[in-house]
Amino acid sequence: DVKVTQSSRYLVKRTGEKVFLECVQDMDHENMFWYRQDPGLGLRLIYFSYDVKMKEKGDIPEGYSVSREKKERFSLILESASTNQTSMYLCASTWTGGHQPQHFGDGTRLSIL
Amino acid sequence: TQLLEQSPQFLSIQEGENLTVYCNSSSVFSSLQWYRQEPGEGPVLLVTVVTGGEVKKLKRLTFQFGDARKDSSLHITAAQPGDTGLYLCAGEHGSARQLTFGSGTQLTVLP
Repeated sequence: DVKVTQSSRYLVKRTGEKVFLECVQDMDHENMFWYRQDPGLGLRLIYFSYDVKMKEKGDIPEGYSVSREKKERFSLILESASTNQTSMYLCASTWTGGHQPQHFGDGTRLSIL
Repeated sequence: TQLLEQSPQFLSIQEGENLTVYCNSSSVFSSLQWYRQEPGEGPVLLVTVVTGGEVKKLKRLTFQFGDARKDSSLHITAAQPGDTGLYLCAGEHGSARQLTFGSGTQLTVLP
């Protein structure tokens, strides 16, 4: 089975802190994604990566950056956390070919105080 | 930016009733995927529809992709309490297989 592991289930940070969310997948997927999920808004794409060291902005990249130094690991960085970044963050991965499903981690519920 | 409108946002029905969830867009997608999400977990794929007009059945769930590949529907027959959950449609596009998600339908089936 594909396993996508997010480093923390719950995280509480303070305004202005630099926050790192880590995601690891074990299926050698080329593509990895970071979403945030808010009630009534569904999942919104923040950033994605289609190869090591490659990254592309999604629909809502402001206030975030990402890092992909190894194929299996994709990190989301909140440069200076703000209260409006309180949300559920979901990581996903998939292969490039065909109409493959995205495999999701269980999410990190991040609260910024 | 691709947009996918999903309706209804909330649905509360009695066991045994039928229901339909809709996803509509002005954009063409290479596929339309339906996911289900349980509390505390990530979404899990139910089905992928690829061809315009395609219909797929998964037990009591019927999924349809519009002829123009811009819209899709999920129909559940004789809903059961075990069907309770958040249903998400997602349109696939781009070289990295990006997904644009609908806002989700929270379904509650009462016994």
